Amino acid sequence: GQQLNQSPQSMFIQEGEDVSMNCTSSSIFNTWLWYKQDPGEGPVLLIALYKAGELTSNGRLTAQFGITRKDSFLNISASIPSDVGIYFCAGLTGNQFYFGTGTSLTVIP
Amino acid sequence: NAGVTQTPKFQVLKTGQSMTLQCAQDMNHEYMSWYRQDPGMGLRLIHYSVGAGITDQGEVPNGYNVSRSTTEDFPLRLLSAAPSQTSVYFCASKKGVVAFFGQGTRLTVV
Repeated sequence: GQQLNQSPQSMFIQEGEDVSMNCTSSSIFNTWLWYKQDPGEGPVLLIALYKAGELTSNGRLTAQFGITRKDSFLNISASIPSDVGIYFCAGLTGNQFYFGTGTSLTVIP
Repeated sequence: NAGVTQTPKFQVLKTGQSMTLQCAQDMNHEYMSWYRQDPGMGLRLIHYSVGAGITDQGEVPNGYNVSRSTTEDFPLRLLSAAPSQTSVYFCASKKGVVAFFGQGTRLTVV
């Protein structure tokens, strides 16, 4: 299967700090997505990226599709307690999603 | 809108028992899939279906069966549960690039 590696694996930050996480792949994807999983829930789509170099924002979230098409980045600005959860990157090829290993985010009030 | 509904939410099985995890979606999506989530390993695809009557294997299909007799339902069957199948299972349907996930089933095999 295709390998998507996310880093860091976990983060503990103070409320108000900015957060950066990234995802790298051994394969090229035509679409990159970022999902968030709240505790006890299923993942929910945050941002979708459709072409290399694309930079897209959704409120305090900004994501970029790497120009090599093998990586993507997610930034969260001014973190708040409800940002806590697990963030997954995903590459989409055809009908198949390939998910990263996840970044667990804890926000300390 | 119910979206994707999974039942049960929690289940404990003894080794060797069989059971079916239910998944239903009311969005008329053709594509449905099952994933398992294990610590440090993300979401791994078990089986998927591109429409009623069509199923295929994903990355980790061993020990699981699926069927797709209707567009709405995509049950996952564990034939003979093993401790290695202890995990959180997610069903998802897809429209375009967006996957819609159920709330998950936390399965423990003892």
